[in-house]
Amino acid sequence: AQSVTQLGSHVSVSEGALVLLRCNYSSSVPPYLFWYVQYPNQGLQLLLKYTTGATLVKGINGFEAEFKKSETSFHLTKPSAHMSDAAEYFCAVTMLSNYQLIWGAGTKLIIKP
Amino acid sequence: KAGVTQTPRYLIKTRGQQVTLSCSPISGHRSVSWYQQTPGQGLQFLFEYFSETQRNKGNFPGRFSGRQFSNSRSEMNVSTLELGDSALYLCASSPMTSANTGELFFGEGSRLTVL
Repeated sequence: AQSVTQLGSHVSVSEGALVLLRCNYSSSVPPYLFWYVQYPNQGLQLLLKYTTGATLVKGINGFEAEFKKSETSFHLTKPSAHMSDAAEYFCAVTMLSNYQLIWGAGTKLIIKP
Repeated sequence: KAGVTQTPRYLIKTRGQQVTLSCSPISGHRSVSWYQQTPGQGLQFLFEYFSETQRNKGNFPGRFSGRQFSNSRSEMNVSTLELGDSALYLCASSPMTSANTGELFFGEGSRLTVL
């Protein structure tokens, strides 16, 4: 079955440290890839997306992600965490074989002062 | 440009009642999707509407229904509420012909508590 796996339901980093949130998908066809962020008591907001072209994608708030076809991954990174980055992050994938949109379970990012 | 508007933001119902939630998409967006978000199950797709037609449906019982009007506004209804229906219900609109391109614009959600 097609799936999206986010490693770690909770990730804790210190303010100023590197943020790395992992996302792997299962698909034989390279999909469209997305990261969304959800701040407390709000809806989801698109952070960045990959459809075609350059595999390193830059998003809002200093985040970026790299599509690695060989690893079927789309990990989200930010060089230096800020307290305002505390939120839940969702990876989503559109499988181009059937245009099904599949969501990861989400990762809560905790920023330690 | 106004974002996706969901009403009401919060509501409390009792078991057995029914509820209607409303969603106004971004102007010009014709695709509207609904999601249920709970701590245990995460984000679960309910259904998607495009031009007043239901295009996709998730794996939810028939108590969950929806519709879309000619102005693209959408409503979802849950009948015979159960405790497990307590959740944040999120509406998302898309500028694309299919929400499954993945670029969705979400409202802030309607938080339903069933007592």
